[in-house]
Amino acid sequence: DTGVSQDPRHKITKRGQNVTFRCDPISEHNRLYWYRQTLGQGPEFLTYFQNEAQLEKSRLLSDRFSAERPKGSFSTLEIQRTEQGDSAMYLCASSRTSGTTDTQYFGPGTRLTVL
Amino acid sequence: AQSVTQLGSHVSVSEGALVLLRCNYSSSVPPYLFWYVQYPNQGLQLLLKYTSAATLVKGINGFEAEFKKSETSFHLTKPSAHMSDAAEYFCAVSDEGTYKYIFGTGTRLKVLA
Repeated sequence: DTGVSQDPRHKITKRGQNVTFRCDPISEHNRLYWYRQTLGQGPEFLTYFQNEAQLEKSRLLSDRFSAERPKGSFSTLEIQRTEQGDSAMYLCASSRTSGTTDTQYFGPGTRLTVL
Repeated sequence: AQSVTQLGSHVSVSEGALVLLRCNYSSSVPPYLFWYVQYPNQGLQLLLKYTSAATLVKGINGFEAEFKKSETSFHLTKPSAHMSDAAEYFCAVSDEGTYKYIFGTGTRLKVLA
């Protein structure tokens, strides 16, 4: 299996700009997750998809954030009107349905810097 | 709400010494527990997971962890540290029927020559 891939790996943007990140999960993984990791912290859950359905969103996911997984394969995470507080590593993970919990496999992340 | 506490944000050990990284969870029902390792500017790599099959779980790279319900702990150990073990380690928990992970704040392991 190829692993989870994310693009871009780094993004520098100015405050107020929109950015979009892409995640390609491991093939045949039906669940896809987005997390945010700030410096010195563990990853925090943002949202997850089962196939193309977005089933849970964290309160961390403000109205400026939107995620899609249109065909149940890759996913995009868009941040509108970026703020300096959005600077973080955005991690994507995928898993395959397996009993009552799954094992999540993580991508390398997209590091966002908002100037 | 489920939470995870990792005691010690930084741990230093000498090469060849025992590695012990601590993780405590808060749950009245035994959850599913995971340890991940993160190298600089990389994503998280799964080391091992506890899913109620056996209390002593062996993982990759010589790491293991023991689930202790009475102590609500899931500490990570390795008998002999190697320089390549220097990284950040995260403990995570998920409850049955939920799929999101709750992570601890991480422990940065430094291995001294």
